Amino acid sequence: EIVLTQSPVTLSLSAGETATLSCRASQSISTFLAWYQQKPGQTPRLLIYAASNRATGIPAKFSGSGSGTDFTLTISNLEPEDVAVYYCQQRGNPLTFGGGTKVEIK
Amino acid sequence: EVQLVESGGGLLHPGGSLRLSCVVSGFTFSNYAMNWVRQAPGKGLEWVSSITSDSSTIYYADSVKGRFTISRDNSKNTLYLQMNSLRAEDTAVYYCAKPLRTYYSLDAFDVWGQGTKVTVSS
Repeated sequence: EIVLTQSPVTLSLSAGETATLSCRASQSISTFLAWYQQKPGQTPRLLIYAASNRATGIPAKFSGSGSGTDFTLTISNLEPEDVAVYYCQQRGNPLTFGGGTKVEIK
Repeated sequence: EVQLVESGGGLLHPGGSLRLSCVVSGFTFSNYAMNWVRQAPGKGLEWVSSITSDSSTIYYADSVKGRFTISRDNSKNTLYLQMNSLRAEDTAVYYCAKPLRTYYSLDAFDVWGQGTKVTVSS
């Protein structure tokens, strides 16, 4: 099973700053990585697939990068509506999710 | 509009059984694999099971293998999850999720249902 480790667990930044979230895979997954946003009380929303492709309707402030074992989700110009837990996910069998990074606004 | 609507959740005792349903609309259900993902209270996301469009290939997480059965009825646009021998650790919101692309059963999920809550408690 491929384990995805996300860091940090919690990220607290001021509005307008850039958030950098990390996801590390226990073995190479090429670019088979997705990122999701889950706001409190809501269902997950796909942000990024194939490591760097924005899903339909996702604004350019969200960007993904990486390949192999190290991946990054960057959220620029942080706003209150970006407060959420962000999960990475790889699509091997078994499919696995990272433990999540909670993004807060100071 | 693409929609996934789960139902069938509830409160039951350990060892009990339950069948979840997910009715879909807004896309050609028979062209897509489908998945179940769960989320325990206050916890992260856990993939449960996947079924290809023609039901020919099925995958399960180890945590549910031998207890849960995924199935689908393409004529009814409905996905199912039969859950047997339920345990307290199966307590979660269960989501059905649609993969982004037709040709992958395990993929990024671009559409999620609202979830149905399953509580297993004595």
